[in-house]
Amino acid sequence: DVKVTQSSRYLVKRTGEKVFLECVQDMDHENMFWYRQDPGLGLRLIYFSYDVKMKEKGDIPEGYSVSREKKERFSLILESASTNQTSMYLCASRPRNYRGNTEAFFGQGTRLTVV
Amino acid sequence: GQQVMQIPQYQHVQEGEDFTTYCNSSTTLSNIQWYKQRPGGHPVFLIQLVKSGEVKKQKRLTFQFGEAKKNSSLHITATQTTDVGTYFCAGISGTYKYIFGTGTRLKVLA
Repeated sequence: DVKVTQSSRYLVKRTGEKVFLECVQDMDHENMFWYRQDPGLGLRLIYFSYDVKMKEKGDIPEGYSVSREKKERFSLILESASTNQTSMYLCASRPRNYRGNTEAFFGQGTRLTVV
Repeated sequence: GQQVMQIPQYQHVQEGEDFTTYCNSSTTLSNIQWYKQRPGGHPVFLIQLVKSGEVKKQKRLTFQFGEAKKNSSLHITATQTTDVGTYFCAGISGTYKYIFGTGTRLKVLA
């Protein structure tokens, strides 16, 4: 059974703190993604990685960075958390397929509240 | 940038009624996927459509991909309470990038 695991289900952090969200997949997938989910806005892509140490900006990368030192782990970093980063964060992975014909597997999500 | 819009944003139906959500892209898509997110859960893959005009069925669910590959729909016949959740389309553009729609939240009243 495939598995994408996010380190925390709920997180409360203070404004200005550096926040790390961790995601681990056990499927040997090349591609990993970080999304944030907000009501009425759907899933918006923050960053994605198509290989170890490789990363590309998504649609809303401002205020975030990522790290992919190992294939199975993709970390999202909030350099200095702000209240407008309060959201549900979803990690996803999928295997490499050059025609995009593969489904994405999602983690259970991390609900981050910045106070 | 590329956008994928879904309508309606919310839909409340009586159990047994039909439901349809529509997905529209600003650009031509190589393929489209549909996901379902149960309340409190995470998105789970339902199906993928690849060909222009393609229609696929999964029991009470019917998925269509438009001829121009810029729109898609999901139709549920005779909704049940187990259909409750948010339905997302995801347009595939290029090799890596999934552009998710804004989602349609379905509530089924028993």
